Amino acid sequence: DVKVTQSSRYLVKRTGEKVFLECVQDMDHENMFWYRQDPGLGLRLIYFSYDVKMKEKGDIPEGYSVSREKKERFSLILESASTNQTSMYLCASRRQGNTGELFFGEGSRLTVL
Amino acid sequence: RKEVEQDPGPFNVPEGATVAFNCTYSNSASQSFFWYRQDCRKEPKLLMSVYSSGNEDGRFTAQLNRASQYISLLIRDSKLSDSATYLCVVMRGNKLTFGGGTRVLVKP
Repeated sequence: DVKVTQSSRYLVKRTGEKVFLECVQDMDHENMFWYRQDPGLGLRLIYFSYDVKMKEKGDIPEGYSVSREKKERFSLILESASTNQTSMYLCASRRQGNTGELFFGEGSRLTVL
Repeated sequence: RKEVEQDPGPFNVPEGATVAFNCTYSNSASQSFFWYRQDCRKEPKLLMSVYSSGNEDGRFTAQLNRASQYISLLIRDSKLSDSATYLCVVMRGNKLTFGGGTRVLVKP
């Protein structure tokens, strides 16, 4: 059974803190994605990676960075958390090619106080 | 204008009834289309792809209208377990864009 695992389901951080969200997939997928999901706004793409050490900005990259040192792991970093980054963060992976099937992790709900 | 738009609902549906809802997309170069399902407090999962000729998967029927730039999802004989948010997804090249979702509540 395919699996995408996000390290933390719930986090509470303070403004200005550095935050790491980790995502690991066991399907040997080349493509990995970070989305945030907010009520009324749907899923918005933050960053994606087509392969190891590759990264591309999505639609809302400001305030975020990513790291993909290993194929199975894709990390999202908030260098200095702000209250407007309070959200549900979803990691997803996909095999190479133009497939529309993303496999999502269970999500990480981040609250920034 | 959002690239992919959906009526957020909720659509309140009696058990056993049929419900249908649409999703509009703005970019005519969009190539592929999908419906995802997201249960409350869960991650989205692929429900079905949408083919040009329309397609069925059990009680679910998806349609694509390229001329008017919308896709639709119809659920027949609704079950309580169909209660979820249905996300429309449009693909152009390698990029997937999600709609905001349509919430469906099936009630006894």
